[in-house]
Amino acid sequence: DTGVSQNPRHKITKRGQNVTFRCDPISEHNRLYWYRQTLGQGPEFLTYFQNEAQLEKSRLLSDRFSAERPKGSFSTLEIQRTEQGDSAMYLCASSLDWADEQYFGPGTRLTVT
Amino acid sequence: AQKVTQAQTEISVVEKEDVTLDCVYETRDTTYYLFWYKQPPSGELVFLIRRNSFDEQNEISGRYSWNFQKSTSSFNFTITASQVVDSAVYFCALSAIRSDYGGATNKLIFGTGTLLAVQP
Repeated sequence: DTGVSQNPRHKITKRGQNVTFRCDPISEHNRLYWYRQTLGQGPEFLTYFQNEAQLEKSRLLSDRFSAERPKGSFSTLEIQRTEQGDSAMYLCASSLDWADEQYFGPGTRLTVT
Repeated sequence: AQKVTQAQTEISVVEKEDVTLDCVYETRDTTYYLFWYKQPPSGELVFLIRRNSFDEQNEISGRYSWNFQKSTSSFNFTITASQVVDSAVYFCALSAIRSDYGGATNKLIFGTGTLLAVQP
């Protein structure tokens, strides 16, 4: 059984460009979560999906951010018009059901220059 | 509001010493879950343990043990006979049962982490 995978692992982009990250959860996990982690901080919740439905978005998620999980499998997180403040590690996690532990992927490190 | 506090920013010990990482949480919910995750230098968060709010039994897994006390809202983590491989950032997290909009989400609220350095 493979774990959560994320691509790309690193992304360097110029301010104002759009970026998209992909997350492949553990197979048959119904829930998929996105978190953001900045240096020296714990991960902060961004949004989550129950199958293909996006059920909650954090107030941290500005309208430049959008996430999808078509067909309830992989998920994408897109950031439009990136800003330097978007530089962070973007983490994806999945769990079997709402009360189960979340398993994290290796993350995508975004650097906005 | 839910909150997790890890007051210890950094701890340095010598190999074979015992070390306890503190975690204090705040929540108004009666049903919640507490977690510990390890983040080694490679960066990937590794799940260590989950406890629910109705189970206050202490748990031991090898050199790891956890002490959950609802009376003090604490969920402390002890590593016995520490090893260099234990060097990592350790995060305590709380699972919020009710979202800002109502309903069960299980989103995790993390503390700021404790950096443990085990010297040989």
